Amino acid sequence: DVKVTQSSRYLVKRTGEKVFLECVQDMDHENMFWYRQDPGLGLRLIYFSYDVKMKEKGDIPEGYSVSREKKERFSLILESASTNQTSMYLCASSFGGVTGELFFGEGSRLTVL
Amino acid sequence: AQSVTQLGSHVSVSEGALVLLRCNYSSSVPPYLFWYVQYPNQGLQLLLKYTSAATLVKGINGFEAEFKKSETSFHLTKPSAHLSDAAEYFCAVINQAGTALIFGKGTTLSVSS
Repeated sequence: DVKVTQSSRYLVKRTGEKVFLECVQDMDHENMFWYRQDPGLGLRLIYFSYDVKMKEKGDIPEGYSVSREKKERFSLILESASTNQTSMYLCASSFGGVTGELFFGEGSRLTVL
Repeated sequence: AQSVTQLGSHVSVSEGALVLLRCNYSSSVPPYLFWYVQYPNQGLQLLLKYTSAATLVKGINGFEAEFKKSETSFHLTKPSAHLSDAAEYFCAVINQAGTALIFGKGTTLSVSS
């Protein structure tokens, strides 16, 4: 089975802290994605990557950056966390084009105080 | 631009009743459409997808969806609801660049015994 693992299920950080959310997939997928999930807003795409060291902005990239140094790992970075970044963050991966299935991790719930 | 609209943020049915979750899409190109399900405290998983083959698509757990171009709809149905179907359901469409999925705001399905 494909497994997408997000390193932290729950995090509590303070305003201004630098936050790293890590995501690892074990199926050699080219594409990886970070979404943010908020009640009533669904999932919104933050960043995605279709190859190592490649990244593309999604719909809401402001306040975030990403890193993909290895094919299996895609990190989301909040340089200076703010309270409006309190949310559920979902990582996903897919093989080949996005017409294929997206495999999601269980999510990282971040609270910024 | 591509988008999906899910009609009804909450749907409640009785066990054994028909499930109908509504999704309308907007797309400037022939769409690829998806339904994902999210069970409590889990990531999303693919229920089914439409990729321009058959207009009636069958998915897992007895769900199916029908693509209707004239109505720009891709509604999800299941003839008989189970208690275990209680979850949040997301409709999604591929973005215009073909690089990522755009999700709807989600519909929470409640099933009562």
